[in-house]
Order: sequence, then C-alpha cells, then structure tokens
Amino acid sequence: ETGVTQTPRHLVMGMTNKKSLKCEQHLGHNAMYWYKQSAKKPLELMFVYSLEERVENNSVPSRFSPECPNSSHLFLHLHTLQPEDSALYLCASSQQGLATNEQFFGPGTRLTVL
Amino acid sequence: DQQVKQNSPSLSVQEGRISILNCDYTNSMFDYFLWYKKYPAEGPTFLISISSIKDKNEDGRFTVFLNKSAKHLSLHIVPSQPGDSAVYFCAASALGDYKLSFGAGTTVTVRA
Repeated sequence: ETGVTQTPRHLVMGMTNKKSLKCEQHLGHNAMYWYKQSAKKPLELMFVYSLEERVENNSVPSRFSPECPNSSHLFLHLHTLQPEDSALYLCASSQQGLATNEQFFGPGTRLTVL
Repeated sequence: DQQVKQNSPSLSVQEGRISILNCDYTNSMFDYFLWYKKYPAEGPTFLISISSIKDKNEDGRFTVFLNKSAKHLSLHIVPSQPGDSAVYFCAASALGDYKLSFGAGTTVTVRA
C-alpha cells in the first residue's frame, strides 16, 4: 500500500449505531488530520494529531471521537450520529516542520446516516 | 468565517482552450497557497503551490499567479484536456501553521 488509505470507502449507519473509520498513512509523516466535506462546502478541519498528540479539535460534537494510536494510524469513532453528519470524511497526513504545508489525502469514506 | 473563497462554483471550457480558476483570501497572514484537484470517489490530490515570495509558479500546463496586494490567486490550465474535468480546491496557510484553509471548490468541465 502506498500513500494514505481509508476504510471503509462507504458506510451506511443508523443513528443508534457505533462504527469506526480507519486511516493509515504509508508516507512516514508526523501529522494526521480528519476533515469533513459536505456538498458544495469547503473542507472542514475536524481534528489534527501531531506526533500522536491531538493539537486541534475544531468544536466537533462529542459523537465524533478520534484516536491516534501511532503516527501511521488514525481512527474516527462514531456513535449516535445525526442525518446531517452524512458527508465525505477525508483523512490526510503531512510532514510538519517543512516550509511547505502539502497535505496528502486518502480517498475518503462516504458516510450516510439514516 | 470563510477565509478562502472560490466564487465560481463551476466552469465549462472547450478542449484546447484556457481554463482560469480564481481564488480570493482575506487573511493577510497567509503566505503559502496550494491548488488541489479532486475526482469523484477520490481524495484531493496536490496539483501546484506558490509561496508569497513569488508571483508566478509554472508546472507544465498549470500556472498559478499570486497577487498579494489584491489577496487573489488564479490557476491557469493551458491547454485544457478532458482529463482535467474535476473539482479544484484552493487552499492557504500561514508560515509555521499546520492548518490549511480551503475554498468550496470549482467544478471544471472540459468539453470535447
């Protein structure tokens, strides 16, 4: 595997379910990100982990719970979601400390909450 | 408050012609700018970037222009090809900041 991978690619869940999204980066980066993309809107940054420490939590509801067990893996645990949480969830990674700020994205998980 | 704006949600251009995508920003601390391209069912992929010390950066068919005084940048694609049909996101960051602020995207359709 190369780059940034995400599983599952598609997820349909009810409002009472608990599920997890997984992201893995194979680039040796030291920072990982979760974004939410809704139709026709900018990417919304949800969480940032740098060196496995959470450094950003952009007022995300507690029904979204991130976990970063090591620098290569990132999870987003979901529980009691609402229909308005249906969106594309993107994971990204980058190497912090460089002059550039290029982030590398995974293919995303298309989430539908019924 | 949206700090990066792409005011044209869509653009249609004939194959072989120039595509011009525009992006405006409000935060004067931004000094590094990126364009990403996104196909359906895929994540955004990095296309080209420019730092504030330059006003132009070119990579093959893609050129990004930066006008700092106007807080405006543009992406030119010449010549446009059918494979360029995608959503293009403008993004910006400040020196030392790990965060990127994204625009809402412009959907480009290249007509044969």
